[in-house]
Amino acid sequence: AQRVTQPEKLLSVFKGAPVELKCNYSYSGSPELFWYVQYSRQRLQLLLRHISRESIKGFTADLNKGETSFHLKKPFAQEEDSAMYYCALSGRDNQGGKLIFGQGTELSVKP
Amino acid sequence: DTEVTQTPKHLVMGMTNKKSLKCEQHMGHRAMYWYKQKAKKPPELMFVYSYEKLSINESVPSRFSPECPNSSLLNLHLHALQPEDSALYLCASSQVAGPTYEQYFGPGTRLTVT
Repeated sequence: AQRVTQPEKLLSVFKGAPVELKCNYSYSGSPELFWYVQYSRQRLQLLLRHISRESIKGFTADLNKGETSFHLKKPFAQEEDSAMYYCALSGRDNQGGKLIFGQGTELSVKP
Repeated sequence: DTEVTQTPKHLVMGMTNKKSLKCEQHMGHRAMYWYKQKAKKPPELMFVYSYEKLSINESVPSRFSPECPNSSLLNLHLHALQPEDSALYLCASSQVAGPTYEQYFGPGTRLTVT
């Protein structure tokens, strides 16, 4: 079964602290992994995807196939990082374009 | 134009009403999606259109009827909805319907069924 698990519903850190949002997945084939972010009163938008190996807004994520994880990391959190973060999976042998989302982690960065 | 637009922003309808949600994109994308999102929950896929043809229906009740009149437009016709259908309805588009393509989301229509 295809599944994305984000174990933390809420993650609260202080500004300047490192942050790691966990994502584990279950998929038998070759997955494509994404992180989407939803800031307050804004639309859902792509933050990064494993295939491009980019660093966006200081965030990075590495796909670990052995641990079936795609954790999102940032060394120094900023208040503007406060948002809802969703890890999502799309399989290469999926029906086209279907995204499976995790339950989301709400990140709160305190001053 | 790199945005997906949705109208209306808010909609309140009774259980006997018929209404429609509209979604538009001018990025030349050939895949369009409808999602339903409840508060503090992830989006749930409802429908996928690929090259104006319905390619995925996630067992959505027939009171929701999608339509893709052309490659830029996507409608969701609503009829005889239930209060539990109240949610944020999101439209998205991507270049094509494939696993590696970024989906661009609209701001959503907040639907309340009374």
